[in-house]
Amino acid sequence: GAVVSQHPSWVICKSGTSVKIECRSLDFQATTMFWYRQFPKQSLMLMATSNEGSKATYEQGVEKDKFLINHASLTLSTLTVTSAHPEDSSFYICSAWRVTEAFFGQGTRLTVV
Amino acid sequence: DAKTTQPNSMESNEEEPVHLPCNHSTISGTDYIHWYRQLPSQGPEYVIHGLTSNVNNRMASLAIAEDRKSSTLILHRATLRDAAVYYCILLIQGAQKLVFGQGTRLTINP
Repeated sequence: GAVVSQHPSWVICKSGTSVKIECRSLDFQATTMFWYRQFPKQSLMLMATSNEGSKATYEQGVEKDKFLINHASLTLSTLTVTSAHPEDSSFYICSAWRVTEAFFGQGTRLTVV
Repeated sequence: DAKTTQPNSMESNEEEPVHLPCNHSTISGTDYIHWYRQLPSQGPEYVIHGLTSNVNNRMASLAIAEDRKSSTLILHRATLRDAAVYYCILLIQGAQKLVFGQGTRLTINP
C-alpha cells in the first residue's frame, strides 16, 4: 500500500483563490519532504524542500509567497497555492524518504479556471 | 550535480527482456545510481539503486559498468504494466534531493 499519501487527487479552483494540498507519510516520520511540479509531457521539476519545524527551502525561480509550504508535524507537509492562476495548473507531487528510497504521493492535479 | 543521458524513448514487446541504458560519464565516486519510473498519471516509484556492484531485486536488475560511466536497467520479462517513463538519477550518499531529467519513455507492445 501507499506510504506517502496526497490529498486531494484532483482539484478545480477559480482564478484568484487559494488551494491547499496535503502530503502525509503514513507509517514513518519524515523530517524532510519534497514538492515537485510536472507540466504535461514534461519531467518533474523540484519546487522546494519542506523541513519539519523550520522554513522551507525553495528552488531558484519558485516564488515562496505564491507556494506556501508548512511542515508542522513529522508526518504532514502542506503546499498552498495562493491566488492561483491558470498557469499554475499542473500536477503537483510530494515525496519523502524512508531509509534508502524515496516514496512519492499519487499526485494532485490542479486545474485553475 | 553530475548529469545523466538517456534515450528519449524505447519500445519492446511483452514478455521480452528490456535493457534501458544510462550514461553518466561525469559520475563521482560517491554518487549512487538510482532508477525511478513513473506510470501515467501517477507519482514516480522506486525501482532500484546501486553504487558499484550489479544489483537485483524483484522488479529489475541494475548492471553497472566497471568504470561506472554507464549503467543499464534490465527488466527481465516486460509486461504491459512496465510501460512508463524511466529515470536514471545520480545521488550522493545521504542526499535526498532527486533531480529528474527527461527519462526514457518505454512502450511495451502486446
